[in-house]
Amino acid sequence: GENVEQHPSTLSVQEGDSAVIKCTYSDSASNYFPWYKQELGKGPQLIIDIRSNVGEKKDQRIAVTLNKTAKHFSLHITETQPEDSAVYFCAARSTGTASKLTFGTGTRLQVTL
Amino acid sequence: SAVISQKPSRDICQRGTSLTIQCQVDSQVTMMFWYRQQPGQSLTLIATANQGSEATYESGFVIDKFPISRPNLTFSTLTVSNMSPEDSSIYLCSVRRQGEGWNYGYTFGSGTRLTVV
Repeated sequence: GENVEQHPSTLSVQEGDSAVIKCTYSDSASNYFPWYKQELGKGPQLIIDIRSNVGEKKDQRIAVTLNKTAKHFSLHITETQPEDSAVYFCAARSTGTASKLTFGTGTRLQVTL
Repeated sequence: SAVISQKPSRDICQRGTSLTIQCQVDSQVTMMFWYRQQPGQSLTLIATANQGSEATYESGFVIDKFPISRPNLTFSTLTVSNMSPEDSSIYLCSVRRQGEGWNYGYTFGSGTRLTVV
């Protein structure tokens, strides 16, 4: 089955700096890669996603890049703000797994003033 | 995206008892999923709730421990049976909305925080 690895597990940046979180996946049949933000006491919230036929997608301060050859994808947050502090999860969906998502282990992002 | 109401939001239960968690969606959805998130950990899929048939369980999860119902396209329940402290986790409902096309639209509820004492 699919296996998703995520790094780093914790990340601390100063307000205004950029943050990058990286994930790798194992199943070359995976075709959908969402990123979720989870704040304390809340459920995961989808912040951006990318399909396998696209190499990059941007939404304001957030961008995701995908390298299908290397089987890795990354989340980029620019001009970080204190409200970006949360746990971020990447996930992958394989066409052969009945629509289920496999999640990475999470990255705790702390944006300091 | 779909709006999910998950109840209860939290509970403290005695070991050996059972708790049923409800997931109500504001629109018909193709697929419903139940996840477990242990403290400080990632999300692990328990099962896919199938409308009108038995749920599809992932490795390590069994129907006797986590019976699931899905009577229609907007509602599902997960029961955590014969609970032990190791069942203390956040349980999350997730849905994929019907007709999203290329927008896969996996949405999560706010979760049920279960503590077993």
